[in-house]
Amino acid sequence: DQQVKQNSPSLSVQEGRISILNCDYTNSMFDYFLWYKKYPAEGPTFLISISSIKDKNEDGRFTVFLNKSAKHLSLHIVPSQPGDSAVYFCAATEGGGTYKYIFGTGTRLKVLA
Amino acid sequence: GAVVSQHPSWVICKSGTSVKIECRSLDFQATTMFWYRQFPKQSLMLMATSNEGSKATYEQGVEKDKFLINHASLTLSTLTVTSAHPEDSSFYICSASDRNEKLFFGSGTQLSVL
Repeated sequence: DQQVKQNSPSLSVQEGRISILNCDYTNSMFDYFLWYKKYPAEGPTFLISISSIKDKNEDGRFTVFLNKSAKHLSLHIVPSQPGDSAVYFCAATEGGGTYKYIFGTGTRLKVLA
Repeated sequence: GAVVSQHPSWVICKSGTSVKIECRSLDFQATTMFWYRQFPKQSLMLMATSNEGSKATYEQGVEKDKFLINHASLTLSTLTVTSAHPEDSSFYICSASDRNEKLFFGSGTQLSVL
């Protein structure tokens, strides 16, 4: 059972436009969410996170939105740049010091110049 | 930011041999480290949680005798793939958590078993 789902395996966006990556989850106990970016043959790098007590967190060009009632989060990148082309994973955890993160299957973003 | 070093980045081995992968947290102490496996176009799959000084906790379906994990210190965890077979070929990634519960990943190890 996939507790964290990224239903879009790929997304193409023009440079300068907004990229929106979506993530859905099923476990209502998840209270902390993260987005990771991954280039080929490299480990993921942390991008941005959000706690369940918030519905929005912004860091530069990256904003994460959390809709708890819908069990949905999204990552907005604006403006998108070619260097943003990578695979983006969302991850969720129940917290409580377990550090056990459940990852989605990833969305490959391609930003076209 | 915190750095996690993972070695080797590439390894090619013959079927039946064992391969050890190291994961080190360079500038912080990590009481917990995680090992993941990723197949092409699939999610990062958590294999096991490694706690310093105790036995690793394996996820369902992961053979503990096949994937030996040792977390001997607060900065080092190792994964040994024993008697590797071609189906073990994959991308293995470790991660470590700092005190702020952020997860930092190693750069991964591409294992190819011939």
